[in-house]
Amino acid sequence: KAGVTQTPRYLIKTRGQQVTLSCSPISGHRSVSWYQQTPGQGLQFLFEYFSETQRNKGNFPGRFSGRQFSNSRSEMNVSTLELGDSALYLCASSSSSRDTQYFGPGTRLTVL
Amino acid sequence: QKEVEQDPGPLSVPEGAIVSLNCTYSNSAFQYFMWYRQYSRKGPELLMYTYSSGNKEDGRFTAQVDKSSKYISLFIRDSQPSDSATYLCAMSALNTGKLIFGQGTTLQVKP
Repeated sequence: KAGVTQTPRYLIKTRGQQVTLSCSPISGHRSVSWYQQTPGQGLQFLFEYFSETQRNKGNFPGRFSGRQFSNSRSEMNVSTLELGDSALYLCASSSSSRDTQYFGPGTRLTVL
Repeated sequence: QKEVEQDPGPLSVPEGAIVSLNCTYSNSAFQYFMWYRQYSRKGPELLMYTYSSGNKEDGRFTAQVDKSSKYISLFIRDSQPSDSATYLCAMSALNTGKLIFGQGTTLQVKP
């Protein structure tokens, strides 16, 4: 079974731009969660989607948004990028909220 | 105070040593406890998953959960250089896909 895939793997943007990251979950998984990883703050939860509905949201500003499609693929968008948004963005999928989460390789975003 | 506390290390041990990694937490609602391993520039890889209190063993790895003390541990027996990585504890409450992570402990196993 193929694992979680994320595209692109690397991105360089400048302040003020917006960015869209994509995540394809493991086949059959309906829950997708997004996390931000930085050296200072570690891994922090952004949001969770299940069957196209956002079920949980972390403590991030409204510039961070996401969505999930009917095939369970998910995208997250960050608008008006700031230098502090530079991070590894990780997507994880699970069959339900109670099940274990499997992570993708991440998208490394650099904001200049 | 963070919900999950984990000593960031770094921890350096000789090959073959027994490694003990620990996390403490403050939220009594946590029911699911996990350990992930993360190699440099890779995504976290699930090592162990435990529901509620108790022990779980998988090969060289043993996970322990003590909910009364709000303390979880991961033991690695016969450590190998390939175990050199960052180990992250994670936990969640019932019916939520929100994982709360510790800061991660960097482990180096020297040949």
